[in-house]
Parts: sequence; structure tokens; C-alpha cells
Amino acid sequence: NAGVMQNPRHLVRRRGQEARLRCSPMKGHSHVYWYRQLPEEGLKFMVYLQKENIIDESGMPKERFSAEFPKEGPSILRIQQVVRGDSAAYFCASSQIPTAEAFFGQGTRLTVV
Amino acid sequence: AQKVTQAQTEISVVEKEDVTLDCVYETRDTTYYLFWYKQPPSGELVFLIRRNSFDEQNEISGRYSWNFQKSTSSFNFTITASQVVDSAVYFCALSLNTGNQFYFGTGTSLTVIP
Repeated sequence: NAGVMQNPRHLVRRRGQEARLRCSPMKGHSHVYWYRQLPEEGLKFMVYLQKENIIDESGMPKERFSAEFPKEGPSILRIQQVVRGDSAAYFCASSQIPTAEAFFGQGTRLTVV
Repeated sequence: AQKVTQAQTEISVVEKEDVTLDCVYETRDTTYYLFWYKQPPSGELVFLIRRNSFDEQNEISGRYSWNFQKSTSSFNFTITASQVVDSAVYFCALSLNTGNQFYFGTGTSLTVIP
């Protein structure tokens, strides 16, 4: 049973470009969470999705950021017009039910140059 | 509001010493879940334990043990006979019954010196 798969592992974007981060949850998991980790900091919640629905996006910046979890395919975190401050590690996690343990992917390290 | 505090930013121990990582949480909910995750230098997050608020029994798994005390809102993690491979950042986290998100502490960076 494969774990949570995130790709790419490393992503470099120039300021103003778009970044697309993908997350395939563990088999049987329909709950997906996205977190951002800045250097030397903890993990900050961004968004919680179930299949085709955004349940909680209270941690998502209002502009330039969006997330989806379609019926088929991976969850996507999209950052438009990236800025230097978007440079961080973005982690995806999935769980079987909301209160169960969440298993994390290896993260995507985004660098904006 | 929910909050998790890991007051120890960095800890260094010599191999084979025991070490306890502290975690204090805040919530007004009566049903909640507590977690510990390990982030080794390679960067991934590894799940270690989940505990619900109604189960105060301590848990032991090999060299790892956890002490959950509701009276002090703490969920401390002890590594016995530490090894170099234990060097990592350890995060404590809290989630509520809605399960909408995990509230993470800022992490404790543990270095085990050979």
C-alpha cells in the first residue's frame, strides 16, 4: 500500500509564474490536508478537502492560492503569480476519517527565484 | 482557540541518555486527539502516535513512551536510551472532533550526539 505521494519533490519557479503541487492520498483515504512549513517553523494548516469538496480553507491566503480534490485524480494546490515569500515546503496529508491519524507525503519544496 | 506549545526548541543529549520532549496543549473541547510526528533530516513527517482525550493510559512502544495527563494538559514523549537515528524534529499536534485540521506545535529539534 503506497503512502501519500507528492510531486514534484522540488519545484523552482520565477516570480510571477504558477506553481502546481500534486498529492495522491493513500489508498482508501478520502480526506486530504495541505500544510505549509517555512524554514525553522512548524506546520501551518492551509486547507482541508474531501472528494470534490473544500471543507475548511481558513488557512489559505485569500488571493493567488487555490486547492481542489477532484473525483478522479490527485489533489492539486495551485499558487498563481508566485512571490519570494511563497518559498516553503508544502506538505500534503491524508486520513481515512477526519479524526484518525494523518499520513504525510514527503513534501514539495518550492523555491521562488 | 486551540494551541500546542513545545517550549523546548532544541535539545542535545549524548547517545544512550533518556530524553523527554514536552508538549502542552490548550482546548476547551472535551473530545480531542493528540499526536506526535517525527521529521528526520530527510524532511518527511513520520506518524508516531495518536491518543484520544478519553484514554489517559500511558503507552510504550519499544524505546518510546508517552505520558498523557489531562490535569496538566500535557502529552510528553520520552525516548529511552537515545540513539543517533533519533535525531530529528519532533512535532506534537492536536485535532478536534471535527477533524478539520491539526494544530501543530513549533517542534523540538533533538540532536543525539554519538
